[in-house]
Amino acid sequence: DAGVIQSPRHEVTEMGQEVTLRCKPISGHNSLFWYRQTMMRGLELLIYFNNNVPIDDSGMPEDRFSAKMPNASFSTLKIQPSEPRDSAVYFCASSFFDSNQPQHFGDGTRLSIL
Amino acid sequence: GENVEQHPSTLSVQEGDSAVIKCTYSDSASNYFPWYKQELGKRPQLIIDIRSNVGEKKDQRIAVTLNKTAKHFSLHITETQPEDSAVYFCAATLYGNNRLAFGKGNQVVVIP
Repeated sequence: DAGVIQSPRHEVTEMGQEVTLRCKPISGHNSLFWYRQTMMRGLELLIYFNNNVPIDDSGMPEDRFSAKMPNASFSTLKIQPSEPRDSAVYFCASSFFDSNQPQHFGDGTRLSIL
Repeated sequence: GENVEQHPSTLSVQEGDSAVIKCTYSDSASNYFPWYKQELGKRPQLIIDIRSNVGEKKDQRIAVTLNKTAKHFSLHITETQPEDSAVYFCAATLYGNNRLAFGKGNQVVVIP
């Protein structure tokens, strides 16, 4: 079975540019999570969706960040405009909607903002 | 909200010895506790998990124990091998909520 698929794997762009990260969850999973990982802050939950509906976006750092899940098999995380401090690895994870089900992570997008 | 802490932050062990990582959590309603292994430059991978209705679970060289009264759970790796070197994250989720609270991670170094 295919796991969580993220694209791109790497992104290097100049500050001020719009960045769009993409995620395809595992088929059948109905919860999707976006995380950001840095050395300083560790693994932070940005936002998560249950059945395509955003449940908690309190981790989204500021209005420059937005996320959508137009259908059960696709989600995007957008940063506009991007800043150097947004440089991090962004992971998407998915799971079944149940409080005791594991989350499975994608390979992440390594984002560098110059 | 849930708060998860891991100790120690870094652990070095000789190959063949055992490694133990302990996590504490704050919310007594937590009912699911996964452990993830993350190798350098790779994604976190689930290695073992435990639910609140059991006290121990084992899978080959790894085991997890849960003490609900004390609100802590531990990862045990026996007969460590160099490929066990990685960062290990514990996490906990609340009953009725599928959001995970992660610890900061433990760097485990297995010395050949």
